[in-house]
Amino acid sequence: GENVEQHPSTLSVQEGDSAVIKCTYSDSASNYFPWYKQELGKRPQLIIDIRSNVGEKKDQRIAVTLNKTAKHFSLHITETQPEDSAVYFCAASTDTGNQFYFGTGTSLTVIP
Amino acid sequence: SAVISQKPSRDICQRGTSLTIQCQVDSQVTMMFWYRQQPGQSLTLIATANQGSEATYESGFVIDKFPISRPNLTFSTLTVSNMSPEDSSIYLCSVVVHGNEQFFGPGTRLTVL
Repeated sequence: GENVEQHPSTLSVQEGDSAVIKCTYSDSASNYFPWYKQELGKRPQLIIDIRSNVGEKKDQRIAVTLNKTAKHFSLHITETQPEDSAVYFCAASTDTGNQFYFGTGTSLTVIP
Repeated sequence: SAVISQKPSRDICQRGTSLTIQCQVDSQVTMMFWYRQQPGQSLTLIATANQGSEATYESGFVIDKFPISRPNLTFSTLTVSNMSPEDSSIYLCSVVVHGNEQFFGPGTRLTVL
């Protein structure tokens, strides 16, 4: 089955700096890669996703890149703000959406 | 997106008892899942709730312990049976809508004493 690895497990950045979280996957059949943000005590929220026919996607301060050959994808947050502090999970899935494999999570702290 | 509600939001139960968690969606969805999330951990898929047929369980989860119902395309229940303290966790339902987008319910925080 699919195996998704996520690094780092914790990340602290100064407000205004950039944060990068990286994930790798093992199954070449995976073609949909969402990212979720989970604030303390809240549900995971989909913040951005990318499909295998696209190399990069951007939405304001967040962007995701995908390297299919290397089987890795990354989340980039620019101009970080304290409200970006949360746990971020990457995941891998296929077109059918019948199985999602999650990374282990990255706890991001943005220091004011 | 999809609006998902879960009941109860939290509960404290005695060991050996059972708790049924309800998940309601505001639209018909084909794919509905149940996850468990231990404190500080990632999401672990328990099962896929299939409408009109038995749920599909992941390795390590069995129907006798986690029976699931899916009577229609907007509702599902997960029962945690014969509970022990190790079952203390957050249980989340989720749905997949167009484009493979997955949305989660608010979760049920279960504490077993």
